[in-house]
Amino acid sequence: GIQVEQSPPDLILQEGANSTLRCNFSDSVNNLQWFHQNPWGQLINLFYIPSGTKQNGRLSATTVATERYSLLYISSSQTTDSGVYFCAAPTDSWGKLQFGAGTQVVVTP
Amino acid sequence: DTGVSQDPRHKITKRGQNVTFRCDPISEHNRLYWYRQTLGQGPEFLTYFQNEAQLEKSRLLSDRFSAERPKGSFSTLEIQRTEQGDSAMYLCASSPVERGFNEQFFGPGTRLTVL
Repeated sequence: GIQVEQSPPDLILQEGANSTLRCNFSDSVNNLQWFHQNPWGQLINLFYIPSGTKQNGRLSATTVATERYSLLYISSSQTTDSGVYFCAAPTDSWGKLQFGAGTQVVVTP
Repeated sequence: DTGVSQDPRHKITKRGQNVTFRCDPISEHNRLYWYRQTLGQGPEFLTYFQNEAQLEKSRLLSDRFSAERPKGSFSTLEIQRTEQGDSAMYLCASSPVERGFNEQFFGPGTRLTVL
């Protein structure tokens, strides 16, 4: 099945800094989701992005399907951005998701 | 529009006991998924339903696990004779059937601790 790799595994940022998280996938995908997992374990949907670029406030995402990667940009980071960021891609026609291992982000004041 | 809900949020049990978790998907979402997440890992697929039909079960789902979705609405996941290795976060997600690949929305999860 499809493999999903995320980098970096850990990221420490000072409040106000910008950062880029990367998601590589081993095969072509029809879609990709980015999630933020908060300290209580809830997965929050950030982007549903098969290709192109989307923006939501200080966050934006770009997926280049032909090159099998997606990027998540965090600008002007805030302490509330702390948590684990996951990307996930469907592995079959029913939408079964394969997750990456995540990027743990810590934003310090 | 309420999101996916799960109950209970936390469960502590002793080894050998049976536990049951419930998931209520977003209204009118036909597809329902169960995932399991252990510490430091991404969620892993367990099983999924299209309406009331269970379409696939992961090899992670041993014979001690069973899932149902009667009438295509809420779903339950039961673990019999729990083991310490079952300790994990159990996540439920739902998605609409409008096209082949659909955005999944997750519930808050049930954190299981087996003593």
